[in-house]
Amino acid sequence: DVKVTQSSRYLVKRTGEKVFLECVQDMDHENMFWYRQDPGLGLRLIYFSYDVKMKEKGDIPEGYSVSREKKERFSLILESASTNQTSMYLCASSDPGLAGTDTQYFGPGTRLTVL
Amino acid sequence: AQSVSQHNHHVILSEAASLELGCNYSYGGTVNLFWYVQYPGQHLQLLLKYFSGDPLVKGIKGFEAEFIKSKFSFNLRKPSVQWSDTAEYFCAVIPFSGGYNKLIFGAGTRLAVHP
Repeated sequence: DVKVTQSSRYLVKRTGEKVFLECVQDMDHENMFWYRQDPGLGLRLIYFSYDVKMKEKGDIPEGYSVSREKKERFSLILESASTNQTSMYLCASSDPGLAGTDTQYFGPGTRLTVL
Repeated sequence: AQSVSQHNHHVILSEAASLELGCNYSYGGTVNLFWYVQYPGQHLQLLLKYFSGDPLVKGIKGFEAEFIKSKFSFNLRKPSVQWSDTAEYFCAVIPFSGGYNKLIFGAGTRLAVHP
C-alpha cells in the first residue's frame, strides 16, 4: 500500500511565525502535491512538484513556498503565518501515468491553527 | 475558468435509501473523472475513476458513477446506503489543457446516514 505521512496531525502557531509542514511518501512517486482543504471550497492546489528540486505553482501559492530536496519528501513553508492560513493541509503523491491518469494518494492531513 | 460543481453540500439519508450525488464540470474537451471519499478521521481515498470506455464505472463498496458527456456530468450512485457510508465525497476532474494536467476538486458533499 502507498503510504503518505505528514509530520503533524495538529499544529498551533502564532501570527508571523515561520511554519514547516513535512510530507513523506514511500512509493518512489515522481509527483507530490500540497493542497489546502476548507469547508465549502473543497481542495485547492497550493504547489506541486514533478521532480526533485522542481516545483510549480498551483492555484493559491501566495504566502507559501515549497522545497523538494529528496524524491520522497516535500515540504510546505509558510514564511510568515497569518490567521487566514488556518486550514487543513493535505499532501498527496502520484506516479505520472499517461496524461491525466495518475491517481493521487493522500496523507492524513495537518490541521493548522494560526492564532 | 475550469470548475467542478457538486450540487448538494449536505445530504441526510436513512440506511437502505438510495444515493445519488451530482457532479458537473465546466470543460468542453477531454477529461478524466474521479470520486474521492473522506471518512471521519481518515485519509482522502479514491472511490472510483473514469478514463475511457464504458461510461458506467464501478468502484469500491458498491458505488458506481455514470459519465454523461453531453451533460458534462459524473454522478455518483449507490442503491442502498449503510451507516458506514457517512463521509464527505469529492468529485474531481483532470481537464486536458496542455502542460501538467491538474486535478480540480469540487466543494464536496457531506453525507450523513442514520441507522
